Amino acid sequence: EVQLLESGGGLVQPGGSLRLSCAASGFTFSTYDMSWVRQAPGKGLEWVSGISISGGNTYHADSVKGRFTISRDNSKNTLYLQMNSLRAEDTAVYYCAKHLVNSLVMMDVWGQGTTVTVSS
Amino acid sequence: EIVMTQSPATLSVSPGERATLSCRASQSVSSNLAWYQQQPGQAPRLLIYGASTRATGIPARFSGSGSGTEFTLTISSLQSEDFAVYYCQQYKNWPPLTFGGGTKVEIK
Repeated sequence: EVQLLESGGGLVQPGGSLRLSCAASGFTFSTYDMSWVRQAPGKGLEWVSGISISGGNTYHADSVKGRFTISRDNSKNTLYLQMNSLRAEDTAVYYCAKHLVNSLVMMDVWGQGTTVTVSS
Repeated sequence: EIVMTQSPATLSVSPGERATLSCRASQSVSSNLAWYQQQPGQAPRLLIYGASTRATGIPARFSGSGSGTEFTLTISSLQSEDFAVYYCQQYKNWPPLTFGGGTKVEIK
């Protein structure tokens, strides 16, 4: 079964850091681009970051550029999101998602999400 | 950045009726458009990509159409499990990938 399982969310103070992980199984992780997408409480979907199959190309939304870093470890079938200098507006459910093909296109597999709350 | 606009924000439909959802792009995305369904408390699910191709396992009552800047998702006969929020997403020009604000389909 194709599966993505996020972890690492929690409560953090403004200015703090968190590292999210996404463990992939049931497919050849190293052959698909991956992304993080977030959803603030009661709001819509916002793409956050994307990464190529090798990890050599990374992309970030302007809202997180310079603060968040996406990475992957293909030997561990795991995607990461390092989040620094967190702000209240980063509070959201964070989903990892697999792209259908080898490019940042549509996303055909999503994890169940991990909740990040930034508050003092 | 390509801005995606969905309408209406909320659509009230009776079970068994047809639902028509709209998505507009601020510039042409050709057919590089996907639709997702999100049930409360769940992750999004890919329904349509390439503007009109159903994803694996998606029932035939879901159909997508359009190209350029105007797109439509049609649900031919609403089932109870179809009441949800629907999002469109463009993947023509990135970064960033961009989503519409969503349309909530509720029971009339």
